[in-house]
Amino acid sequence: AQSVTQLGSHVSVSEGALVLLRCNYSSSVPPYLFWYVQYPNQGLQLLLKYTSAATLVKGINGFEAEFKKSETSFHLTKPSAHMSDAAEYFCAVMDSSYKLIFGSGTRLLVRP
Amino acid sequence: DSGVTQTPKHLITATGQRVTLRCSPRSGDLSVYWYQQSLDQGLQFLIQYYNGEERAKGNILERFSAQQFPDLHSELNLSSLELGDSALYFCASSTSGRAGELFFGEGSRLTVL
Repeated sequence: AQSVTQLGSHVSVSEGALVLLRCNYSSSVPPYLFWYVQYPNQGLQLLLKYTSAATLVKGINGFEAEFKKSETSFHLTKPSAHMSDAAEYFCAVMDSSYKLIFGSGTRLLVRP
Repeated sequence: DSGVTQTPKHLITATGQRVTLRCSPRSGDLSVYWYQQSLDQGLQFLIQYYNGEERAKGNILERFSAQQFPDLHSELNLSSLELGDSALYFCASSTSGRAGELFFGEGSRLTVL
């Protein structure tokens, strides 16, 4: 069965610093992987997705993620954090019935 | 604005009661998904409908049921409510051929007292 594990329930960075949110996946087949963001009091919004076309995926708001099969990872990065990036981020994998299985989420705090 | 509308936004009720949550998907989207978000369980997939038919089922309790109507709106019915059912219930929709690209509503926050 497919699953994802997000390392770190909370990550705190200074404004302007690198953002790195970790996600490892478990899948018996080539996975379809996603990152979603949830701002306070809102629903989730798709940031980016990996569908095997390219290992480095660029998303909205300057975020990108790199698929590394050897490490079974799909970490999310952004070179320079902005205060508006403070939110909860969810990694997800699509299972064989095309539904998304979400990780436990990582809350990103951005310090001024 | 994702285009997915959920009502009500907030609901407070008592144990043993029954509630109905409503979702209108984005125009043209045939798939509707229901997720439950709670602090202890995280985001849990409940059920998916495609064009009126149940497509996939997740960790949905027998006390819960859902349906998708001909106009594609969906309802999630929660009955014999327990304190542990207090959570944020999200509806999401997606377009055919864009699996995994979900558009989420803002959720219905259910509080069971």
